Amino acid sequence: AQSVTQPDIHITVSEGASLELRCNYSYGATPYLFWYVQSPGQGLQLLLKYFSGDTLVQGIKGFEAEFKRSQSSFNLRKPSVHWSDAAEYFCAVGGGFKTIFGAGTRLFVKA
Amino acid sequence: NAGVTQTPKFQVLKTGQSMTLQCAQDMNHEYMSWYRQDPGMGLRLIHYSVGAGITDQGEVPNGYNVSRSTTEDFPLRLLSAAPSQTSVYFCASSYGTSGGVQETQYFGPGTRLLVL
Repeated sequence: AQSVTQPDIHITVSEGASLELRCNYSYGATPYLFWYVQSPGQGLQLLLKYFSGDTLVQGIKGFEAEFKRSQSSFNLRKPSVHWSDAAEYFCAVGGGFKTIFGAGTRLFVKA
Repeated sequence: NAGVTQTPKFQVLKTGQSMTLQCAQDMNHEYMSWYRQDPGMGLRLIHYSVGAGITDQGEVPNGYNVSRSTTEDFPLRLLSAAPSQTSVYFCASSYGTSGGVQETQYFGPGTRLLVL
């Protein structure tokens, strides 16, 4: 069965500091991996995805993620966080007709 | 393109009442899904569809019905509302890859439902 674990419910970082959000997945075949972002009161928007090829993928807003098959992980990173990055971030795994989401990590940015 | 639209934006129901949450997309996407979002639980898949006339259950289907008579529309029906169905509901649509894998999803703005 598909499942996604995001170990951190919330994270606080200072503006300008680096960020890493963790994601571990369970999937029996080749996973299709996604990171989505949700601003308060909004729907979700795709940040980036991994289907195949280079395991380091670049997304919008300066985000990147690295797929590590041996660790079943797909962690999201950003070298320098901006106040506008404060939002909730969801990791998701697919590979068939449906996509399963993690519980999300809420990012707080302090000045 | 309007993208994915959902109506209503907000609804209050009494226990036992029924209602339909509407979802429409104008991107000619084959795949459509309904999720509910609850604090600390992320998005949980209720039902999904891979084309007109084809639907299947997700993680939490009990108490909900769906149908897909057209590519554009995917309504979610609550047959007898319960307080446990208080949540924010999101509809999403996507293409499938040539291998049938669900691609990037485009989400509607959500419907906030309160069941008293």
